[in-house]
Amino acid sequence: AQSVTQLGSHVSVSEGALVLLRCNYSSSVPPYLFWYVQYPNQGLQLLLKYTSAATLVKGINGFEAEFKKSETSFHLTKPSAHMSDAAEYFCAVNPNTGNQFYFGTGTSLTVIP
Amino acid sequence: NAGVTQTPKFQVLKTGQSMTLQCAQDMNHEYMSWYRQDPGMGLRLIHYSVGAGITDQGEVPNGYNVSRSTTEDFPLRLLSAAPSQTSVYFCASRITVNYGYTFGSGTRLTVV
Repeated sequence: AQSVTQLGSHVSVSEGALVLLRCNYSSSVPPYLFWYVQYPNQGLQLLLKYTSAATLVKGINGFEAEFKKSETSFHLTKPSAHMSDAAEYFCAVNPNTGNQFYFGTGTSLTVIP
Repeated sequence: NAGVTQTPKFQVLKTGQSMTLQCAQDMNHEYMSWYRQDPGMGLRLIHYSVGAGITDQGEVPNGYNVSRSTTEDFPLRLLSAAPSQTSVYFCASRITVNYGYTFGSGTRLTVV
């Protein structure tokens, strides 16, 4: 069975500080991995994706994530938080052996001025 | 490009009523899915489709039906609404397996 675990349902950082949102997955084979962002009362927007090319993936709005097979992790980072980064972030996994797409339970990011 | 369009944006139903949530995409995507989002539970897959005429159940299919007669449309039907179906519903589409989903803006459904 596939699963996605996001550690920390709420994360607060100061403006300008490092953002680190954690995501671990369980999969028998290296999957495709994604991070999405959801602003209030909106749908989900794709931030970045890993599809077995480079392990360090750069996305929109200055975010990046690193795929670490040995740790089964795909943590999302941003060097310097901005007020506009406040949102809900979802990690998702698509096992490349099936059609389903599994989402984590989300991490709410608060940016403190 | 309109992307993924969901209607309505808001809906209030009485217990036992039925309704259809509409979803249309204009990107010629083969894969389409319906998710529900509930606080603290992330997104849970209701039904999905890998092409016109092909649908399958996801994680929480009970109480919902789908059909896919065209590539563009993937309606979700609530057969007899229950308060437990109060949620935000998202339709999403993607072109193939290793691409991410494009999401609609959601339908906020309340069942009283």
